[in-house]
Amino acid sequence: KAGVTQTPRYLIKTRGQQVTLSCSPISGHRSVSWYQQTPGQGLQFLFEYFSETQRNKGNFPGRFSGRQFSNSRSEMNVSTLELGDSALYLCASSLPGAEQYFGPGTRLTVT
Amino acid sequence: GIQVEQSPPDLILQEGANSTLRCNFSDSVNNLQWFHQNPWGQLINLFYIPSGTKQNGRLSATTVATERYSLLYISSSQTTDSGVYFCAVADFGNEKLTFGTGTRLTIIP
Repeated sequence: KAGVTQTPRYLIKTRGQQVTLSCSPISGHRSVSWYQQTPGQGLQFLFEYFSETQRNKGNFPGRFSGRQFSNSRSEMNVSTLELGDSALYLCASSLPGAEQYFGPGTRLTVT
Repeated sequence: GIQVEQSPPDLILQEGANSTLRCNFSDSVNNLQWFHQNPWGQLINLFYIPSGTKQNGRLSATTVATERYSLLYISSSQTTDSGVYFCAVADFGNEKLTFGTGTRLTIIP
């Protein structure tokens, strides 16, 4: 069974731009979560989607948004990028209440 | 929300040594996972262990849910064991994982 995939793997953007990251979960997994990892703040929860509905949201500004499609694939969008948005963005998928599996991540650099 | 503390923050050992990493959490949990983050940033699943004991080769883990802690044991350490180990927990009815700050393990040949 294929693992969680994320695209793109690396991204360089300029302040003020917007970016869209994509995550394809393990087949059959309907829960997809997103996390941000930075050296200063560690791993922080962004949001979780299940059956196209956002069920939980972390403490991030409204510039961070996401969605989930009917095939469970998910995208997250960051608008008006700031230098502090430079981070590794990780996506995880799972069955409800079960072990979560992470993708390889997207490393975003904002200049 | 749940608080997760990992100790020690850093651990430097000689190849062949054994190590114990600890994870304390502040409330009852439905999910507890141990991860090893590889040099490229991916989180590799080690154990899904909300309670009890599991073993996988040189690695084993124990979670004592009633006392709110988990231990990860690494025996006969190898240089490939180097990296950052994370503990993460989720409470009931919630997929949100709260991560500890990690233990950076360095194995010296």
